Order: sequence, then structure tokens, then C-alpha cells
Amino acid sequence: NAGVTQTPKFQVLKTGQSMTLQCAQDMNHEYMSWYRQDPGMGLRLIHYSVGAGITDQGEVPNGYNVSRSTTEDFPLRLLSAAPSQTSVYFCASSRTGGRIYGYTFGSGTRLTVV
Amino acid sequence: TQLLEQSPQFLSIQEGENLTVYCNSSSVFSSLQWYRQEPGEGPVLLVTVVTGGEVKKLKRLTFQFGDARKDSSLHITAAQTGDTGLYLCAAKETSGSRLTFGEGTQLTVNP
Repeated sequence: NAGVTQTPKFQVLKTGQSMTLQCAQDMNHEYMSWYRQDPGMGLRLIHYSVGAGITDQGEVPNGYNVSRSTTEDFPLRLLSAAPSQTSVYFCASSRTGGRIYGYTFGSGTRLTVV
Repeated sequence: TQLLEQSPQFLSIQEGENLTVYCNSSSVFSSLQWYRQEPGEGPVLLVTVVTGGEVKKLKRLTFQFGDARKDSSLHITAAQTGDTGLYLCAAKETSGSRLTFGEGTQLTVNP
């Protein structure tokens, strides 16, 4: 089972460049989300989706866009990269409809903006 | 958004020692989850607790959910070097699937 696949694993961007972080899951999970992880700040929610065609903002959405055209894919777009967006990004998916369902995480994308 | 506080932030112990990590909030949780994260990897789910007072055991790990469903603890008995990692608690909203994470406890078990 592939689970949640994130690409790329590492990326260096120059300030002002744009890029898309890819996330795909093969578990038919309705719920998908993007987090960023920074030292001392834990995991912070950027955007999430409860199903194809439905997205919503999380705690730190500024500078990021998402779309959900299929159940499997949930890409994260950085429109104009800034050094403050240097972080490790995690995609996660889950079933919906119950308190017991946990998240399955990808292995992360380490992004450096110079 | 529920604020989760974990303590301690860092913990360094010798192999064979016992330890407890705490997760606290002023809000009531519908459920609470514990994850472990190793360097270069995403967090991996350890357990979900949903009932006040619930206790779950996973080998040498014991998870407890407070009676009022506002706090939780993770106890590790006879720690091993393989227990080293970042332990994260996460609370689920009363409705929906969003998870809010604590800042984590970085555990180092020395041989």
C-alpha cells in the first residue's frame, strides 16, 4: 500500500518563484489536509478538503492555494515564495464521519526559500 | 481552535527509565490522538482515545484520557532507544475532521 505520497522530498526556491507540492493518496479517503511544521511551533494547518470540489482555509492559509479536483489528489501551490515559507510541509488524509479516524501522513517536503 | 499544551517540551532519559508526557487544554475534546514522528518522516498514529477516563495500552506505552476529556497522558515503561522521537498529541473538533496538534515532546532515550 502506497498510502500518502508527497513529491518532491526536497526543494529550493528563489524568492518570488512559484511551485506546486504534490500529494496523492490511494486509500479513498474523503478528508485531506496540508500542514507546515516549524521548530517550536508544531504542525499548523494550511488548507483542508472534505471531498472533491470542496476546500477550506486552515490556521495559516496566506500565500498558499489548493484545489481538489479528484478524491486522490490535493496539490498545494505557493504563488510567490517568501523566505517565511521555508518549512517542512506534510500532507495527510483521513476517513470522515467519526471521532476515531486517525490521519495518515506523507513523508514530507522540505522547502527552502532563499 | 483548541489550544493544546504539551509538557515537557524536551526529555532526555536513560534506557530502562519510565517517563510520562502530558497534553492539556482548557477545551473539551471529542477525541484525542497520539502520534510519533521520527526524523525525516511524517507522524504515525499510535492511538485514539474517545471516552473520558479511558486507558489504552500499546505494549510498554499507556495512554490515558482525562475524566473531563480535557487532558491526556502518555506513559512509557522501561524506555528503549527505539522509543526516541517526537511525540505529538492532537485533538479532534467536536464536529468535522480537523485536528489541532500540540507542539510535541522530543524524547531522547540514551543507551
